[in-house]
Amino acid sequence: QSALTQPRSVSGSPGQSVTISCTGTSSDVGGYNYVSWYQQHPGKAPKLMIYDVSKRPSGVPDRFSGSKSGNTASLTISGLQAEDEADYYCCSYAGSYPNYVFGTGTKVTVL
Amino acid sequence: QVQLVESGGGLVKPGGSLRLSCAASGFTFSDYYMSWIRQAPGKGLEWVSYISSSGSTIYYADSVKGRFTISRDNAKNSLYLQMNSLRAEDTAVYYCARDIRVAYYFDYWGQGTLVTVSS
Repeated sequence: QSALTQPRSVSGSPGQSVTISCTGTSSDVGGYNYVSWYQQHPGKAPKLMIYDVSKRPSGVPDRFSGSKSGNTASLTISGLQAEDEADYYCCSYAGSYPNYVFGTGTKVTVL
Repeated sequence: QVQLVESGGGLVKPGGSLRLSCAASGFTFSDYYMSWIRQAPGKGLEWVSYISSSGSTIYYADSVKGRFTISRDNAKNSLYLQMNSLRAEDTAVYYCARDIRVAYYFDYWGQGTLVTVSS
């Protein structure tokens, strides 16, 4: 099972919006509405930002939103803030085996 | 509050063994599936293994199957990963994470423990 494909990096100025894509196949992203997104600051553990494609856990700002179309999921950060600079990983359920597949990761830079 | 604390990482020679532990607190450990996820230096995340709440169902990634064994002790609120026949490519930070099986995501992660396989 190959990793889901994400852009290596995206950037934006404070207040702007950025969108990160996550492309898989019909066996993972396209086959299930079980896409989650994780934020990881350097040297820190990943933090859940989105689950079930578009749901936000309590405490995650509403400027983070998720969506999916076909085999591609997306994470949009609206009103970009300095603290949003981090690595972001998508993850999809991929059936009983291999269970989970992660994306390649995207570095978000706030200019 | 939910806390997951990994321990047991370190430097080990190729072919060696190591046992990682994850101490859980702040929730009813026996109600939840748990997973191990790793991250090689400068690389992305890779799911390694999961275990059901009772321990009766276990899955492994192909990359570790036959070499790693996941287990749990619900009486001790602890998760384990026994790693044998270690290879250089197993070098990574290993995270334990609470696995929300009804919707397939990880809602809490530990801080990670570094495993370095080198001669």
